Amino acid sequence: DVKVTQSSRYLVKRTGEKVFLECVQDMDHENMFWYRQDPGLGLRLIYFSYDVKMKEKGDIPEGYSVSREKKERFSLILESASTNQTSMYLCASSLAGYNTDTQYFGPGTRLTVL
Amino acid sequence: AQKVTQAQTEISVVEKEDVTLDCVYETRDTTYYLFWYKQPPSGELVFLIRRNSFDEQNEISGRYSWNFQKSTSSFNFTITASQVVDSAVYFCALSGLNNAGNMLTFGGGTRLMVKP
Repeated sequence: DVKVTQSSRYLVKRTGEKVFLECVQDMDHENMFWYRQDPGLGLRLIYFSYDVKMKEKGDIPEGYSVSREKKERFSLILESASTNQTSMYLCASSLAGYNTDTQYFGPGTRLTVL
Repeated sequence: AQKVTQAQTEISVVEKEDVTLDCVYETRDTTYYLFWYKQPPSGELVFLIRRNSFDEQNEISGRYSWNFQKSTSSFNFTITASQVVDSAVYFCALSGLNNAGNMLTFGGGTRLMVKP
């Protein structure tokens, strides 16, 4: 079974803090993704990575950055957290390849910025 | 641009009722993939099905079935004889073959509540 883990289930941070969300997958997947989930908006892609040290912007990258130093780990960074970044953050991974492969998700991190 | 619409934001049924969750999509790709995911209260999205645009056969898996109709750009999901454990948010998603990194476009989700 594919296993995607996220470092925290719940986080509470203050405005202006630097926040790190960590994601690890154990299936040797090339692709990794970060989404945020807000009521009524579904999941929106923040960033994705298709290889170590590679990253691509998704639909809503503003206010976020990412890091992928190892294949199994993909970090989402909020350089200066703001209240409008309060949300559920979901990490996913998938195999690379010509066909769109299934993305497998972690349990999510619910972040509250006060 | 791709778009997925799940018009039903919330559905409430009584156990053992059948329920259909609607999904309508828009894409200019000729080859694409459609997905359904389930998100129970625990939060983790659970993969249910992946279907490519060339395979219009309906699929059945236990109490779950999916109806893909290319002519109406719909990929609806039916739960037969619903159970309380089916209570969750369900997401429909779309990916085009030409999307870099296999990006998914999600619908807004449908919250299904199954009452005993």
